[in-house]
Amino acid sequence: EIVMTQSPATLSVSPGERATLSCRASQSVRTDLAWYQQKPGQAPRLLIHGASTRATGIPARFSGSGSGTDFTLTISSLQSEDFAVYYCQQYNKWPLTFGGGTKVEIK
Amino acid sequence: EVQLLESGGGLVQPGGSLRLSCAASGFTFSSYGMSWVRQAPGKGLEWVSTISSGGGRNTYYADSVKGRFTISKDNSKDTLYLQMNSLRAEDTAVYYCAKRPDSGSYLFDFWGQGTLVTVSS
Repeated sequence: EIVMTQSPATLSVSPGERATLSCRASQSVRTDLAWYQQKPGQAPRLLIHGASTRATGIPARFSGSGSGTDFTLTISSLQSEDFAVYYCQQYNKWPLTFGGGTKVEIK
Repeated sequence: EVQLLESGGGLVQPGGSLRLSCAASGFTFSSYGMSWVRQAPGKGLEWVSTISSGGGRNTYYADSVKGRFTISKDNSKDTLYLQMNSLRAEDTAVYYCAKRPDSGSYLFDFWGQGTLVTVSS
């Protein structure tokens, strides 16, 4: 099983600042990596797939990068609606696995 | 507009059974693979099972549910199912159904709002 490790567990950021979230895979997943956003009481929402392709309707302030084992989600200028938990997921091999999540909170 | 509406959750005793349903609309259900993903209270996301667009033999399960859960798909009713048997306390979670994208990759581009399953005596 491919283990996905996200860091940090919690990220405290002020509105308007940049947030950088990391996701590391225990073995290469090429670019078969997705990012999701989840707000309290809501279902997750797809942000990024293919490591760097924004999903439909996702603002340009969200960007993804990386390949192989190391990936990054960057939110260029945090808006109030961006405070949430973010998960990465690999879909290169079965079983599909998620990272433990990074909570982005208001500083 | 894609909509996924789960139902069938509730309180069940350990060892019991439950069948979840996910009614789909807004897309050609028969053309898409579907999945179940769960989230224990206060915890992260865990993939449970995936079925191909046509259903049938092309099914995949997490080791934690293999042999106890069965995923199925009725394309005539636009509905996804998860039959859960031999339930354990650790199966307590919100269960989401989720759709695969057009690319066919095994990720989830739309999610339902979830249904809560509580396994407790």
